[in-house]
Amino acid sequence: KNEVEQSPQNLTAQEGEFITINCSYSVGISALHWLQQHPGGGIVSLFMLSSGKKKHGRLIATINIQEKHSSLHITASHPRDSAVYICAVGHYGGSQGNLIFGKGTKLSVKP
Amino acid sequence: GAGVSQSPSNKVTEKGKDVELRCDPISGHTALYWYRQSLGQGLEFLIYFQGNSAPDKSGLPSDRFSAERTGGSVSTLTIQRTQQEDSAVYLCASSSPVRGIQYFGAGTRLSVL
Repeated sequence: KNEVEQSPQNLTAQEGEFITINCSYSVGISALHWLQQHPGGGIVSLFMLSSGKKKHGRLIATINIQEKHSSLHITASHPRDSAVYICAVGHYGGSQGNLIFGKGTKLSVKP
Repeated sequence: GAGVSQSPSNKVTEKGKDVELRCDPISGHTALYWYRQSLGQGLEFLIYFQGNSAPDKSGLPSDRFSAERTGGSVSTLTIQRTQQEDSAVYLCASSSPVRGIQYFGAGTRLSVL
């Protein structure tokens, strides 16, 4: 079993829909990251969080430490949100850089 | 520059040759990370530098891989005696000690023939 599991693997949505991507992990963590990888390959860090909730524009990330689960929400989705969204966790007690990555969720938003 | 810069952007080499990949982090960022992404695979941690501390090398897949960071800035990832399974995109990222958010370079696509 992978230490970081994402669901769904693939997601197709219509423009304007509310989107949720889930991430579950099995290890104790120091922080959880959400990354966005564009079709061209570039990676952008969206959020780093260790508790609660963070919001940036139309993106919201939540984490439940007790349940070892995080969600990434996109409100009013747009075709430009089409990308692969990757969850990554840092082991508790490990180095900041030693991240374990999920396999990603490929999102396609249709106009 | 304003972002993390990696060079070369593409590298084609023959099996058995050594390659060097370079990363220029964002000025002032004390942390530097190397990852790789093989075709169709997820991201994989390689090595992490933080200031003057000993690097975390636990992700390096074999002793053919090494990395150094000179003067706390530029980093070089060296792969000796390259193998076809080394073909991947090698990504570098850096972060500041305050925010912790990682900023990624565009990557070096390595193809070993």
